[in-house]
Amino acid sequence: DTEVTQTPKHLVMGMTNKKSLKCEQHMGHRAMYWYKQKAKKPPELMFVYSYEKLSINESVPSRFSPECPNSSLLNLHLHALQPEDSALYLCASSQPFLTPNYGYTFGSGTRLTVV
Amino acid sequence: DAKTTQPNSMESNEEEPVHLPCNHSTISGTDYIHWYRQLPSQGPEYVIHGLTSNVNNRMASLAIAEDRKSSTLILHRATLRDAAVYYCILRAGNMLTFGGGTRLMVKP
Repeated sequence: DTEVTQTPKHLVMGMTNKKSLKCEQHMGHRAMYWYKQKAKKPPELMFVYSYEKLSINESVPSRFSPECPNSSLLNLHLHALQPEDSALYLCASSQPFLTPNYGYTFGSGTRLTVV
Repeated sequence: DAKTTQPNSMESNEEEPVHLPCNHSTISGTDYIHWYRQLPSQGPEYVIHGLTSNVNNRMASLAIAEDRKSSTLILHRATLRDAAVYYCILRAGNMLTFGGGTRLMVKP
């Protein structure tokens, strides 16, 4: 299995809702990532997990809460979002930097709309 | 973070080679040079990466300047399916930070 699977593919949520985005990989990768991508812009790194521990948080607002329950799963919990948080949320995985690697594998993303 | 500079867009004819340039004059000795591409409505796709030597794989070739301050992604025969945004990125540790990328348009 050489894929990163993200669910759901599309999500519409109100500003008072709580929802979660899910990401799964079975490639044995020990680093997992969340990126946010606005239309016609490059992806922006949000969080990095290495060996199931949060190693990088790029000053992301607390209404985004990541979780890595095990080495194959990555969640992004969403609460009290704003309309400007509407974007494509991408999950990726890789081997951690100091091991031989063949690049990052990205999922196809969750298209989030906040109304 | 070391930054990369790429042209905003490039155009190519189908079946012809394409050379996509990238400047990274502030690269450090431990930065790997990665290339990804993103097709419309998809997540980025890994293309190739290298450290110092030129690299080839089934998708493309990567030519790295001797001083490592620039690199070129080479698509040997562009097809319509190669139309995408191509990102040149320096990987430092567990950080993969995207720059603006080059939008490649392929004409039939």
